[in-house]
Amino acid sequence: AQSVAQPEDQVNVAEGNPLTVKCTYSVSGNPYLFWYVQYPNRGLQFLLKYITGDNLVKGSYGFEAEFNKSQTSFHLKKPSALVSDSALYFCAVRAPDQTGANNLFFGTGTRLTVIP
Amino acid sequence: AAGVIQSPRHLIKEKRETATLKCYPIPRHDTVYWYQQGPGQDPQFLISFYEKMQSDKGSIPDRFSAQQFSDYHSELNMSSLELGDSALYFCASSVGGGGETQYFGPGTRLLVL
Repeated sequence: AQSVAQPEDQVNVAEGNPLTVKCTYSVSGNPYLFWYVQYPNRGLQFLLKYITGDNLVKGSYGFEAEFNKSQTSFHLKKPSALVSDSALYFCAVRAPDQTGANNLFFGTGTRLTVIP
Repeated sequence: AAGVIQSPRHLIKEKRETATLKCYPIPRHDTVYWYQQGPGQDPQFLISFYEKMQSDKGSIPDRFSAQQFSDYHSELNMSSLELGDSALYFCASSVGGGGETQYFGPGTRLLVL
């Protein structure tokens, strides 16, 4: 069965500093990996995805993530955090080679707080 | 750009009542997914439709049913509502049954009293 782990419930970072939100996954076959951001009382906004190709993917709002197959990780990063980046971040995985292949399995979310 | 539309945005019901949530996918998207997000929890997949046919089924209770119509909009019907059904219900849409990126609507917040 596929699963996603976000080991940190909360990440605090000073404005202007680099940020990392961690994600590891477990899936049979090749994973499709996604990051979504959720602002209070809002829906999930797509940030970026890894399907195939270059392990470093760039997404919206200056975010990027690196797919590491050996470590089964897909950590979200940004070189310089903004206060407006404060939100709840979800990592998600699809397992296209398996039954139920099209739905997303989400991690438990990481709340990012950027301190001015 | 057009996004996924969900209605209503907020809904209050009493126990044992019924509720219908609607989802209008992004134009030209043919696949719709429903997710339930409980308070402080991650979204859980309920059910999906591709070209008006059910494509996957997750943790959807038997009291719930859903369908996708000829114009690709979808409705989630919830009967015999329970307190535990209080949650944020998201609809997402994508292109193709194996669509790579799901785009989410703003959600419907259901409160069951």
